[in-house]
Amino acid sequence: GENVEQHPSTLSVQEGDSAVIKCTYSDSASNYFPWYKQELGKGPQLIIDIRSNVGEKKDQRIAVTLNKTAKHFSLHITETQPEDSAVYFCAASVAQAGTALIFGKGTTLSVSS
Amino acid sequence: KAGVTQTPRYLIKTRGQQVTLSCSPISGHRSVSWYQQTPGQGLQFLFEYFSETQRNKGNFPGRFSGRQFSNSRSEMNVSTLELGDSALYLCASSLQGNSYEQYFGPGTRLTVT
Repeated sequence: GENVEQHPSTLSVQEGDSAVIKCTYSDSASNYFPWYKQELGKGPQLIIDIRSNVGEKKDQRIAVTLNKTAKHFSLHITETQPEDSAVYFCAASVAQAGTALIFGKGTTLSVSS
Repeated sequence: KAGVTQTPRYLIKTRGQQVTLSCSPISGHRSVSWYQQTPGQGLQFLFEYFSETQRNKGNFPGRFSGRQFSNSRSEMNVSTLELGDSALYLCASSLQGNSYEQYFGPGTRLTVT
C-alpha cells in the first residue's frame, strides 16, 4: 500500500542553524504534499504545502522542495528559533481517496539556545 | 474565524463500552476527516465526510463509524471499545470536497481501561 517514510526521527540543532527533514513517498499518483507542526497538547498545524506541479515553495524561514521523479520532498527551516521546537509531520495525498492523507512518522525537532 | 473544535477534549472509558466524539469544522468548511494518532502507528486516516456522505474510509474495523450533519458538524462513534483504541482522535476540516488543505482541531484524548 501507499507509504511515506520520514527522516530523521529526531533532530537537534543550535538556535540560528538550519534544519532539514526529508520524506519519500510510494504512490506516484500523489499530487499534494503538506507539512504539519504539532506542539505538545495541540493538533497538527499546517505550516506549508506544495503541489506536484511546483518544485519549490518558500514562506519566510520555511521552504519545501519536491522531486517528483525521485518521489522525495523536504522541509527546510532556516535561522531556527527555540519556538520551532515541535514534532513535524510530512504527508502525501492518496490517489482516488478524496482528501485522505498518508503521514510520515514524524520528526522531533529540538532547538537549543 | 474560529478554528476546528472538538468535544470532549478528554475521555476515559471502559473496555466494551461505546463512545461518541464530536467535531465542529471551521465556518464555511464542508469536508470533515477523522484521524487516529497513536505513538506506534502515528497518524492514520479513519474516514472523510462531505455533504453528509462518507466519501472515503481508511483501513479500520466496522466498530469505527461516523456521520455528518447538514451544518457540516461531524461525529464519530467507536463501539465495543478495546484497549488498543486508546489514542488521540483528530478531526480536520477543509473548504470543499476537493480541497486538500486540511486544518486540524486539538483532538480528543480517549483512554480505554
